[in-house]
Amino acid sequence: DGGITQSPKYLFRKEGQNVTLSCEQNLNHDAMYWYRQDPGQGLRLIYYSQIVNDFQKGDIAEGYSVSREKKESFPLTVTSAQKNPTAFYLCASSMNPEVNTEAFFGQGTRLTVV
Amino acid sequence: GESVGLHLPTLSVQEGDNSIINCAYSNSASDYFIWYKQESGKGPQFIIDIRSNMDKRQGQRVTVLLNKTVKHLSLQIAATQPGDSAVYFCAENYAQAGTALIFGKGTTLSVSS
Repeated sequence: DGGITQSPKYLFRKEGQNVTLSCEQNLNHDAMYWYRQDPGQGLRLIYYSQIVNDFQKGDIAEGYSVSREKKESFPLTVTSAQKNPTAFYLCASSMNPEVNTEAFFGQGTRLTVV
Repeated sequence: GESVGLHLPTLSVQEGDNSIINCAYSNSASDYFIWYKQESGKGPQFIIDIRSNMDKRQGQRVTVLLNKTVKHLSLQIAATQPGDSAVYFCAENYAQAGTALIFGKGTTLSVSS
């Protein structure tokens, strides 16, 4: 099946630890995105990448880092500098970095700091 | 940000009614708009999109209306069903965001049978 796979579905982290969330797509999409969603809130953009080896900060990039070494993969690292990391994290991809098209979303990773 | 007067955080309807969900977008330069449906604990699913050179677009049981004069977007769902119960988000895109979508706060639609 073509789609976007986020793993793990649930993740627990101790305070002060870095953690990496995985996002893989087999849709051959050029652009990929990371969003954060807090309870009862909309999605806020963390980082996006329109092409391999390039990425841009979104509205809330502080405390996060990403890499885009392969077209199909866009991992997100939540660092210890992120003050309130407990949230639902969503990865998405879209086909063409030049033309706006719908973004396809994964099923999310729920991160909890314990 | 969104216009409080237009955005309702919750909407309750009876099965079979038509639903209208409103959204006020933030950037007059936005040229692409999209509606998503999100069920609890899942990722958003695409419903319908519209570009700024259009003011109406229809899908299966759904219609999106765009009013650029007042920066307003609406989603109409015909003959609402219990399976339509979810949170609905509008999103916009403008050049400064690349191809990234910028989301509104969402409206929770509850359909009772």
